[in-house]
Amino acid sequence: EDQVTQSPEALRLQEGESSSLNCSYTVSGLRGLFWYRQDPGKGPEFLFTLYSAGEEKEKERLKATLTKKESFLHITAPKPEDSATYLCAVATGGSQGNLIFGKGTKLSVKP
Amino acid sequence: EAQVTQNPRYLITVTGKKLTVTCSQNMNHEYMSWYRQDPGLGLRQIYYSMNVEVTDKGDVPEGYKVSRKEKRNFPLILESPSPNQTSLYFCASSVFQGGRNQPQHFGDGTRLSIL
Repeated sequence: EDQVTQSPEALRLQEGESSSLNCSYTVSGLRGLFWYRQDPGKGPEFLFTLYSAGEEKEKERLKATLTKKESFLHITAPKPEDSATYLCAVATGGSQGNLIFGKGTKLSVKP
Repeated sequence: EAQVTQNPRYLITVTGKKLTVTCSQNMNHEYMSWYRQDPGLGLRQIYYSMNVEVTDKGDVPEGYKVSRKEKRNFPLILESPSPNQTSLYFCASSVFQGGRNQPQHFGDGTRLSIL
């Protein structure tokens, strides 16, 4: 059965304290892995797409990496405005349109 | 402005009363999808559509119907809503190029309460 698991469920950081969020997946063929950010009361907002193991993408304080079994979202020197829930989603090989989301990591960054 | 628009944003209704949540996108996207989001369960896909007149079930399709008669619209229909369909619903759209899934644009959500 296809599965996407995110850890930790919640993460509290001090401003400037770098850390990583994990997304591990077991799917029958990977058509793409996506990271989204979701603020309370809003729809998810796209951050990164990764398609192949070894691929990396970077944007401001965020960097996403991909291996054959997991993806990491690294946050360097976070600021309070980075506080949000971060979602990982996987497009599986079984059906082109099927997307499976992890349950998310809720990040809080304190000043 | 590129956007996905859902209506209504909030709805309180009663068991068994048919309802439709509309979704419209202005980006000429081929792919559209509906999700529900519940505490502790995350986002789960209900139905998706690869193009006009092409729809398929996601992971939790029971109790829902969809149609895709035009490229821009993808309504979600609850023929006989029940309390377990109380949830936050999101519509999303994306292009679909070269066999690769592309990032989705999400609407702002519809909060449904079924009493």
